[in-house]
Amino acid sequence: KNQVEQSPQSLIILEGKNCTLQCNYTVSPFSNLRWYKQDTGRGPVSLTIMTFSENTKSNGRYTATLDADTKQSSLHITASQLSDSASYICVVSAGDDSWGKLQFGAGTQVVVTP
Amino acid sequence: DTGVSQNPRHKITKRGQNVTFRCDPISEHNRLYWYRQTLGQGPEFLTYFQNEAQLEKSRLLSDRFSAERPKGSFSTLEIQRTEQGDSAMYLCASSPWTGGLETQYFGPGTRLLVL
Repeated sequence: KNQVEQSPQSLIILEGKNCTLQCNYTVSPFSNLRWYKQDTGRGPVSLTIMTFSENTKSNGRYTATLDADTKQSSLHITASQLSDSASYICVVSAGDDSWGKLQFGAGTQVVVTP
Repeated sequence: DTGVSQNPRHKITKRGQNVTFRCDPISEHNRLYWYRQTLGQGPEFLTYFQNEAQLEKSRLLSDRFSAERPKGSFSTLEIQRTEQGDSAMYLCASSPWTGGLETQYFGPGTRLLVL
């Protein structure tokens, strides 16, 4: 069973509107949580990285939140643009330096329409 | 372009053939990672190197898979006796790890199709 669940699986939004993506995880112990953006046919690009003690992190129009108590994170996209159309992947790292313990979500596919 | 590069970008092969992919990381990045990604899923960790040392391998990396980074710069991933289930995108990433949190920089991937 995947330890990182993302919702929704996909969504369509109008250009200029806001949207929020969800990530729930059961990975333990928890080290950090990352959000990546992946354009079709491309490798993922890091948007934010948050540790246990951080509640929010922004990168331009992208704002990530983290509630380590409830093991939930969200990624908020403000004033969406056509270039935001991509898959957004939540990645949770366990409490050590072992990359074998990185857990990737399946991603949320976002389509921004004019 | 000084980003991570991967070659080839696409590979079509017949079942049973061997294939080899190459990854050139960002210059002076000491860590290099290989991931596999199937359609509609997030990447799955395969293995990673710190300089030339292969430090960890996933259970996903069967005996048919081998990765090398002989001089601590570029890396190759070889799949022997390919199977249709090997069809996926193979992603490489590198990072300038010095301890603590690191950002991985991904290449564009090599898409493999096994017929």
